[in-house]
Amino acid sequence: DTEVTQTPKHLVMGMTNKKSLKCEQHMGHRAMYWYKQKAKKPPELMFVYSYEKLSINESVPSRFSPECPNSSLLNLHLHALQPEDSALYLCASSQVIGGKKAFFGQGTRLTVV
Amino acid sequence: GQQVMQIPQYQHVQEGEDFTTYCNSSTTLSNIQWYKQRPGGHPVFLIQLVKSGEVKKQKRLTFQFGEAKKNSSLHITATQTTDVGTYFCAMNRDDKIIFGKGTRLHILP
Repeated sequence: DTEVTQTPKHLVMGMTNKKSLKCEQHMGHRAMYWYKQKAKKPPELMFVYSYEKLSINESVPSRFSPECPNSSLLNLHLHALQPEDSALYLCASSQVIGGKKAFFGQGTRLTVV
Repeated sequence: GQQVMQIPQYQHVQEGEDFTTYCNSSTTLSNIQWYKQRPGGHPVFLIQLVKSGEVKKQKRLTFQFGEAKKNSSLHITATQTTDVGTYFCAMNRDDKIIFGKGTRLHILP
C-alpha cells in the first residue's frame, strides 16, 4: 500500500466554522507533512511531524492547528479561516523526516466563503 | 535561504517534440527529486538523484544531476498528451522538502 488518503476531497466552509482535514498512511512512514498549494504555484510547506511530534512549523497562523494522533494519522484543524486561505491542502509522508521521496495524498480543495 | 530556481515557467510543445526543464541552485545539493503534477491532481514522485553526474532514465524521461550537484534537468523525448502537467524539482533543506516553482508543460495536438 503506497497510498496517502486524504478526506474530504472538497470542503466549503464559512469564516466562523471549525473543520478538520484528515490524512492517513499505512506505509510505516515516520514523517508526515502538510503543504498548502495555491493555483499555478508550487506546494508550500506548512508543518512537519516526525515520530508523531511537531518538528517544523513554517510560521503558520494559529487558525491552522495540526495534530498527529498516531503514526498513521495526521489532522489539520481549521478555525476562523479567511477567504485567502482557500487552496489545495496536501498531506505527504516520507520514511523519515527530510526524506528523499515523499508520497502525496490527493489533497483537500478548500474554499472559504 | 537556499532555493532551487526552475526554468522555463511554461512550455508549449507540439506533440512528438522534445521537452526539457532545468533546475539550478546557488549551493551544492545533497540530492534532487522530481515530481509531476497533472492538472487537478497531486504531486507524484518520479525520481531522486544523489550522485554527481548521475543520469537516470524512465522510458522517454531522462534525468540528469550536474557534476557540481548544483543543477539538474528533466528531458522528455517525443512528448505525448499524457505528459501534460507541471514538473517540479525539489530539494531537501533542514529536514524540509522544498519545491521549485515548476514548469508547466502544455502539449499542442
